[in-house]
Amino acid sequence: SQQGEEDPQALSIQEGENATMNCSYKTSINNLQWYRQNSGRGLVHLILIRSNEREKHSGRLRVTLDTSKKSSSLLITASRAADTASYFCATDATGYSTLTFGKGTMLLVSP
Amino acid sequence: DTAVSQTPKYLVTQMGNDKSIKCEQNLGHDTMYWYKQDSKKFLKIMFSYNNKELIINETVPNRFSPKSPDKAHLNLHINSLELGDSAVYFCASSHVGPTFRDTQYFGPGTRLTVL
Repeated sequence: SQQGEEDPQALSIQEGENATMNCSYKTSINNLQWYRQNSGRGLVHLILIRSNEREKHSGRLRVTLDTSKKSSSLLITASRAADTASYFCATDATGYSTLTFGKGTMLLVSP
Repeated sequence: DTAVSQTPKYLVTQMGNDKSIKCEQNLGHDTMYWYKQDSKKFLKIMFSYNNKELIINETVPNRFSPKSPDKAHLNLHINSLELGDSAVYFCASSHVGPTFRDTQYFGPGTRLTVL
């Protein structure tokens, strides 16, 4: 069954605001990854957080991981129109032989 | 330099035809993948190859046959195309450790439309 589930399914904000997306999963993981997909393009890796890490930063991105709740969040600060894309979480779950992707959150950032 | 490339970018064909999609990566990765993304954006793994050997074959009709001539290439051949095969197909590659799966690098996708 599908491992990651993102929430919300869609998010619409104004430029300059922060965007928060959540991902829940079901089993133990080695790591959790976030990807971005612009319309008509392939997925691009944003950040990887390992199961023994709680928080990670990369530029305007902040990812948290709570393994006790089996959840992760992706925060994009000071959003820009160029951040408009779909965001996917992917879990590297123990016992699985490949990453499992969620259905994604569509983020729309309006100027 | 393109890391993971796919050809063609668009493919429009009739039901019943046979078609191939090619993928190449120049990242030196040992593992390559094919994914299918449906109209609802759900990304589903189809196949995974490690060092030219098939390691994952999810529930995919046997009309789909992957071929890996070498570590840098993974092609997807589809026989007797059906309407339900219409989707975007992504190739990806990564390094895979013994107990973990690292970052995946995706190609730009091939949008297949079956008429």
